[in-house]
Amino acid sequence: EAGVTQFPSHSVIEKGQTVTLRCDPISGHDNLYWYRRVMGKEIKFLLHFVKESKQDESGMPNNRFLAERTGGTYSTLKVQPAELEDSGVYFCASSRATDYYGYTFGSGTRLTVV
Amino acid sequence: GENVEQHPSTLSVQEGDSAVIKCTYSDSASNYFPWYKQELGKRPQLIIDIRSNVGEKKDQRIAVTLNKTAKHFSLHITETQPEDSAVYFCAANAGSARQLTFGSGTQLTVLP
Repeated sequence: EAGVTQFPSHSVIEKGQTVTLRCDPISGHDNLYWYRRVMGKEIKFLLHFVKESKQDESGMPNNRFLAERTGGTYSTLKVQPAELEDSGVYFCASSRATDYYGYTFGSGTRLTVV
Repeated sequence: GENVEQHPSTLSVQEGDSAVIKCTYSDSASNYFPWYKQELGKRPQLIIDIRSNVGEKKDQRIAVTLNKTAKHFSLHITETQPEDSAVYFCAANAGSARQLTFGSGTQLTVLP
């Protein structure tokens, strides 16, 4: 099966700009997760979709972050306006409805805010 | 919520030696503990996992042990090879929430 695809792989933006990250999960995977790893720290949970619904967004740091999953397929994560502390690697993972911990990760988007 | 601590942050071993990475967790309701390996520039990939109804699981050179009483679990890699060099993450499921809580990662370097 095709893997989880994330785009772009790298993004460098200036503070105050907007960036949109995209994740295409494995087809048929109802669960889609966003995580972030800030340099040297843990991979931290941001939010969890089940199909198109937000199941848990308790990890979203603030209202500058907006995630969507229209139609229950791909997902986008928008950061607007970006701040320096938003820099890090953003990972997406997907899993089947019957095995929600059975993550397949994407390769991540490395976001650098300067 | 769940908190996972991972040690050490870096680990260097000679090829052929063993490597051990340790994690502790806080939520006694956690019952699933996976380990992921992330090679440079690649995606994290599941290498082994353990559920709370067993104390040890082995897959060739890799083993994981779990002590539920002490709330800690460990990854053991024997006969290390240069291709084992990577960042390793432990994780625990966050009780009733359908998400994983990760440790901060261990950079393992196997010296030839």
